[in-house]
Amino acid sequence: SQQGEEDPQALSIQEGENATMNCSYKTSINNLQWYRQNSGRGLVHLILIRSNEREKHSGRLRVTLDTSKKSSSLLITASRAADTASYFCATVPPFTGANSKLTFGKGITLSVRP
Amino acid sequence: GAVVSQHPSRVICKSGTSVKIECRSLDFQATTMFWYRQFPKKSLMLMATSNEGSKATYEQGVEKDKFLINHASLTLSTLTVTSAHPEDSSFYICSAYRREGAYNEQFFGPGTRLTVL
Repeated sequence: SQQGEEDPQALSIQEGENATMNCSYKTSINNLQWYRQNSGRGLVHLILIRSNEREKHSGRLRVTLDTSKKSSSLLITASRAADTASYFCATVPPFTGANSKLTFGKGITLSVRP
Repeated sequence: GAVVSQHPSRVICKSGTSVKIECRSLDFQATTMFWYRQFPKKSLMLMATSNEGSKATYEQGVEKDKFLINHASLTLSTLTVTSAHPEDSSFYICSAYRREGAYNEQFFGPGTRLTVL
């Protein structure tokens, strides 16, 4: 079953604009991760935020986590055409050991127009 | 970052045949690998957890006799789709955990596109 639910499902923006994608989940987590997938390719790990963290930055990426609302957001600043891809959030449940399963959301398709 | 490869990247087969997909961790050892399936414009669905030296753990609704998993070494897991049918056509992705100190990170392969005619 799907744990993460991203919104919007599709987002189209102009190059240079910021893109904000949201993810909501249902049950408690150990951490939440964001991945990117280019069409027909594997997944690339973008960033991980732990349940005791509220915000993390990595380059042009900013991730927030609100465990009280069970939601996370991924912000890509100054978007580029190369950011065009599908973005997935994935959650890891608590207390499941070192090699825990990821549960993926449905994904958001981001299109950045040059 | 760590590298996980899959082979083949694309395969087309006839109904009724079996297809083997390999997942390799190229520069690290992985005691645990995962196999996912992804339909077009859909999310990844976990099929099974592949454990080195032991039987795979399948998710609910995944037929273990249909999707055979073998994790024979610390760097290789294989998924065999037996007696393939057109509905098995999908994008199959594997991932592997690498342990770095106290932190485990999961790395994904590039995927295998299976088309069953």
